[in-house]
Amino acid sequence: DTAVSQTPKYLVTQMGNDKSIKCEQNLGHDTMYWYKQDSKKFLKIMFSYNNKELIINETVPNRFSPKSPDKAHLNLHINSLELGDSAVYFCASRGDRASHEQYFGPGTRLTVT
Amino acid sequence: DQQVKQNSPSLSVQEGRISILNCDYTNSMFDYFLWYKKYPAEGPTFLISISSIKDKNEDGRFTVFLNKSAKHLSLHIVPSQPGDSAVYFCAASGTTSGTYKYIFGTGTRLKVLA
Repeated sequence: DTAVSQTPKYLVTQMGNDKSIKCEQNLGHDTMYWYKQDSKKFLKIMFSYNNKELIINETVPNRFSPKSPDKAHLNLHINSLELGDSAVYFCASRGDRASHEQYFGPGTRLTVT
Repeated sequence: DQQVKQNSPSLSVQEGRISILNCDYTNSMFDYFLWYKKYPAEGPTFLISISSIKDKNEDGRFTVFLNKSAKHLSLHIVPSQPGDSAVYFCAASGTTSGTYKYIFGTGTRLKVLA
């Protein structure tokens, strides 16, 4: 039973399109994250939600919009895709405030052509 | 500005020997540190962590050492096994603000040779 799942696993699309990546966790965690791993292998935090409330919003183009319909889901919508958006996107969740351990999804490899 | 650095992109070690992976950080506000292991086509998985109030934490074959004055931490794997071959990321967080934001290094690819 997958703890943190992401769909799709691979996404190939053209510049200018709009796409969404979905993330679901069945761990009952309150906090979820989106990370981007670019070609240089940096794993950079993009957003974090705690109980559907946005708590971390890094310097990310406003073409990226996270949406948390409930605390088990954190989706990422990207408008007007650009070549530089090509990367692997990871969703993660974390339990209570005393726990630092994050559980990561398998990643979504986005390729913009 | 890269606040967490893993200066060795790769490391090869013979099976049974010790693997030492290093990580340096620049932000003195960081007070919690973690190591994650990542296999290809999978997400990172948590390995071991350490709070800044400690200088060592051990879990089985894995030990993390923290040197706050040098802003340096290391992960020791003893004995190394072929299944340990993966990319290892260190991560750091400053928790005083109440928001748990984690800064990751670029990873070190460990290859354990049978």
